[in-house]
Order: sequence, then C-alpha cells, then structure tokens
Amino acid sequence: DAKTTQPPSMDCAEGRAANLPCNHSTISGNEYVYWYRQIHSQGPQYIIHGLKNNETNEMASLIITEDRKSSTLILPHATLRDTAVYYCIVRPRSGGSNYKLTFGKGTLLTVNP
Amino acid sequence: SQTIHQWPATLVQPVGSPLSLECTVEGTSNPNLYWYRQAAGRGLQLLFYSVGIGQISSEVPQNLSASRPQDRQFILSSKKLLLSDSGFYLCAWSVKGQLNTEAFFGQGTRLTVV
Repeated sequence: DAKTTQPPSMDCAEGRAANLPCNHSTISGNEYVYWYRQIHSQGPQYIIHGLKNNETNEMASLIITEDRKSSTLILPHATLRDTAVYYCIVRPRSGGSNYKLTFGKGTLLTVNP
Repeated sequence: SQTIHQWPATLVQPVGSPLSLECTVEGTSNPNLYWYRQAAGRGLQLLFYSVGIGQISSEVPQNLSASRPQDRQFILSSKKLLLSDSGFYLCAWSVKGQLNTEAFFGQGTRLTVV
C-alpha cells in the first residue's frame, strides 16, 4: 500500500522543465512527502522531501498543494541523465528508530533529445 | 563521508542452492539497515529492516532471512533458493532517531535463480 498515485510514464524534451505529479489524498498531517529516483539498474537516489511548504534544492523543486493532497516534482532543466523512474512516497513521521519507505511503481520519465 | 557497499553486483545461482548477500556501511554508526527486493517490472518491496545488532524485523513472509552480526553489517540469506527469489536486491541505511531523513541505497545485487 504505497498511499500515492503517479502516472506510469511521462516524456520531456531535453532542456525543458519536467513536472511530475503525485496524488496522496489520504496523507495525514504529520506525514512527509519524499521523492526518490532510480536510474536503470542502480539503487534509488534521494531527491527532495517536504511537509507543507514548497522546497527547493540543487536537484529539484517540490510544490505541495495547500490541502497537501497532491504534489509536483519539478526538474527545471531536464537532461538525458534525468531519465529514470521517479517515486513519490509518503512517509510517516515516526520520531523513533524505524524508517520504512514503501515504494509504488513510480513514473518512468524519459527525457528526449 | 558515509558509503554503503553491496556485493556481489550480479549472481547466478541454481534452484536449491544457498544464498548470502552482504552489505556494509562505512562512516556512520548505529544506522537503521534495510533489505529491499525489486522483481522484474515491479516496484521495490521492503523485505527486512534492522534497528540494531541482532534485531531483525521481517516485512513479508518469504524464503529469505536476514542477520546483523555487526553494527554496520547486514546479511541476506537463504538455505534453498527458489526461482521466485530472482530479482534486484538493494541494501539501504538511514540515520536513527531523526524525524525526517533520507535513506541511502547501495548499487544492488542482481540475482538470477536458474
């Protein structure tokens, strides 16, 4: 039970912004939204996470709607190396020693030249 | 800096043979450790996680077992492999006790049971 819904695939032109949507309508008030990506045959890589506010780092921006039921990961200038499966994950704020990430099937983003 | 090592990168094993995959973490202490499996065309499934030496939690019933003999060592084992054990196995670690922290993954072991 991944608690998130993502489109199975998306295409993006190189150099353009890639906007990857995620629905998490059952998210609770203390749950974070995390994004990871997995390039073919490699381990997943952390991208960004957020709780309520929009977040930005050197890799991407995360836009979370006011009701927190959906979010969008933005890669501002996609490159061919950004072709990967992108996972949106809702993670409970455990506050303890456990940390479980439940992955869904994600979105396969293909960046085209 | 912290690093995670997984080996071997690829493995082909006959049905019924034993399995031992090893994962070690460097540059941190007392991490949470995890084993995930990704079957062909499917998402990542959490198999085991560990919060300390000798402490293993299993997420799904299966033909595999895990052990943590040392703080930064996590081992995935099987006494007799099944065809259905084929897949991409990933080890991961995270910092214990922080409210929001990411997990760091190894490069994985691709296991083919024949």
